Amino acid sequence: DADVTQTPRNRITKTGKRIMLECSQTKGHDRMYWYRQDPGLGLRLIYYSFDVKDINKGEISDGYSVSRQAQAKFSLSLESAIPNQTALYFCATSDPGQGDHQPQHFGDGTRLSIL
Amino acid sequence: RKEVEQDPGPFNVPEGATVAFNCTYSNSASQSFFWYRQDCRKEPKLLMSVYSSGNEDGRFTAQLNRASQYISLLIRDSKLSDSATYLCVVNAVSSNTGKLIFGQGTTLQVKP
Repeated sequence: DADVTQTPRNRITKTGKRIMLECSQTKGHDRMYWYRQDPGLGLRLIYYSFDVKDINKGEISDGYSVSRQAQAKFSLSLESAIPNQTALYFCATSDPGQGDHQPQHFGDGTRLSIL
Repeated sequence: RKEVEQDPGPFNVPEGATVAFNCTYSNSASQSFFWYRQDCRKEPKLLMSVYSSGNEDGRFTAQLNRASQYISLLIRDSKLSDSATYLCVVNAVSSNTGKLIFGQGTTLQVKP
């Protein structure tokens, strides 16, 4: 079983719909992240969380919200989806016990298309 | 200037070739460096960390040059299965946030 699981894997929806992407992990890591990836732009950080009570904005948080329901779960919501939010979304985790040297571990990704 | 810059390629090489990628980073205070591999439409996967003294893992060698602020990845005896995008990754310089900055990636295509 994957250590970092994202659902759904693929989603096609219409402009204006509310969408939730879910991420769960079995790695026991405190830190979780949401990224989007667009061709030519690389990975961009949307939100990150250091524990259940901690939520921080990344570089492109507008139009998104998150919820850290438990150490193992971090969900990303698009309240009213728009076409330019069409992208590949990744959840990742890291272990703060490694200090500054914290590689991140990614889920399989969610391919989201907004029509 | 981008915080992490890579030549996007593509690098087209024959099987068995040696290929090297470079990456430059802008913040001299960066402390952690990684190479990730990403296959098409898949998640990035950690290939190797990059240590100050340089490190090797099989056919892969990573090196860090702090004075010039670049890191490199050398792949020897390329295999078809090495075809992928290689992401250069550097930690965001702040107080132990775990945030990483990703380069756009360098695409490698190994041909038979």
